[in-house]
Amino acid sequence: DVKVTQSSRYLVKRTGEKVFLECVQDMDHENMFWYRQDPGLGLRLIYFSYDVKMKEKGDIPEGYSVSREKKERFSLILESASTNQTSMYLCASTPGSLDTGELFFGEGSRLTVL
Amino acid sequence: GQNIDQPTEMTATEGAIVQINCTYQTSGFNGLFWYQQHAGEAPTFLSYNVLDGLEEKGRFSSFLSRSKGYSYLLLKELQMKDSASYLCAVKDSNYQLIWGAGTKLIIKP
Repeated sequence: DVKVTQSSRYLVKRTGEKVFLECVQDMDHENMFWYRQDPGLGLRLIYFSYDVKMKEKGDIPEGYSVSREKKERFSLILESASTNQTSMYLCASTPGSLDTGELFFGEGSRLTVL
Repeated sequence: GQNIDQPTEMTATEGAIVQINCTYQTSGFNGLFWYQQHAGEAPTFLSYNVLDGLEEKGRFSSFLSRSKGYSYLLLKELQMKDSASYLCAVKDSNYQLIWGAGTKLIIKP
């Protein structure tokens, strides 16, 4: 079975803290994505990666960075968390070229920044 | 700008049929997806339409009209477990996914 695993389901952090969200997929997928999901809004793409050590900005990259050192792992980093980054963060992956294929999502990481 | 519209919430009765609409305005079109998301869980893929017409998959069907910028998801023989949010997403000319805010479907006995 296809599996995308996010390291933490729930996190509470303080303003200014550095936050790491980890995502691992076991499907050998080339493409990995980080989204945030907020009530009343569609999923918004933060960053994506189509290969190891490659990254592309999505629609809302400000305040975030990413790391993809290994094919199966894609990390989202909040260098200095702020309250407006309180959200549900979803990692996803898809195989092959970006024009095909469904997304496989992780369970999500709900981050609260106080 | 790019926009996906779907109703915020719908209510239906167990055993009935419900149609969830999605209209879109995007720069280009390379396919439309429907995902199901139960509360607190990951979205899961339901359907993909790239050509006009109806795609049927068991109790679920999805319809697309590219000329009208319109799709719907049809759920038949509703079950309580169908209570979830249904997300519509369109791939634009750059193959980027544009997401609707989702429709929360409430099923009543």
